[in-house]
Amino acid sequence: DTEVTQTPKHLVMGMTNKKSLKCEQHMGHRAMYWYKQKAKKPPELMFVYSYEKLSINESVPSRFSPECPNSSLLNLHLHALQPEDSALYLCASSLLPGTPPGQPQHFGDGTRLSIL
Amino acid sequence: AQTVTQSQPEMSVQEAETVTLSCTYDTSESDYYLFWYKQPPSRQMILVIRQEAYKQQNATENRFSVNFQKAAKSFSLKISDSQLGDAAMYFCAYRTSANTGNQFYFGTGTSLTVIP
Repeated sequence: DTEVTQTPKHLVMGMTNKKSLKCEQHMGHRAMYWYKQKAKKPPELMFVYSYEKLSINESVPSRFSPECPNSSLLNLHLHALQPEDSALYLCASSLLPGTPPGQPQHFGDGTRLSIL
Repeated sequence: AQTVTQSQPEMSVQEAETVTLSCTYDTSESDYYLFWYKQPPSRQMILVIRQEAYKQQNATENRFSVNFQKAAKSFSLKISDSQLGDAAMYFCAYRTSANTGNQFYFGTGTSLTVIP
């Protein structure tokens, strides 16, 4: 069983819809990540939160809006998406470096998003 | 930025045989961490094995072991006694040891098929 929980597992939305993806962990991790993954490709980093503050934004279009309301929860708000945004969206969490160092990321099952 | 290369997009192995997946990386750092992740068709990324760069001893986890060659910047994964459940995408990943290093760098992945 995964310790990082993502909801929903599947989402189909039109290009004019507004929806949100949710990610939750209760491992005390203070780094949380959003990735986008296409089939047979590695995860592409979108955002990194450290201590609930956005620390990395990999030039992601503004139609994706992340939010970290507390240390356990990470949201990704979606608005006016394009068909090419259809992908698996993965959330991950980890201890921050030095706490101790070299901690792996723990991934959720992902949300499979389809844009009509 | 660090780069991680997996030169084998696809590999196959006969059940019960041994297979080695290759990974090379480029970095100017002396201290860092390397990981192998497995992603079965169910799509959850699972940590397989971790290696600290300052340790000379190769990491081992049951049937999984690594051959870490720091000077050559090589980090291959050996799977012994391959099982049908080992079929998956395998991603090599790099993490800096720096306190600001929340980012993981993933390789392009190797798709492993296990032949009964």
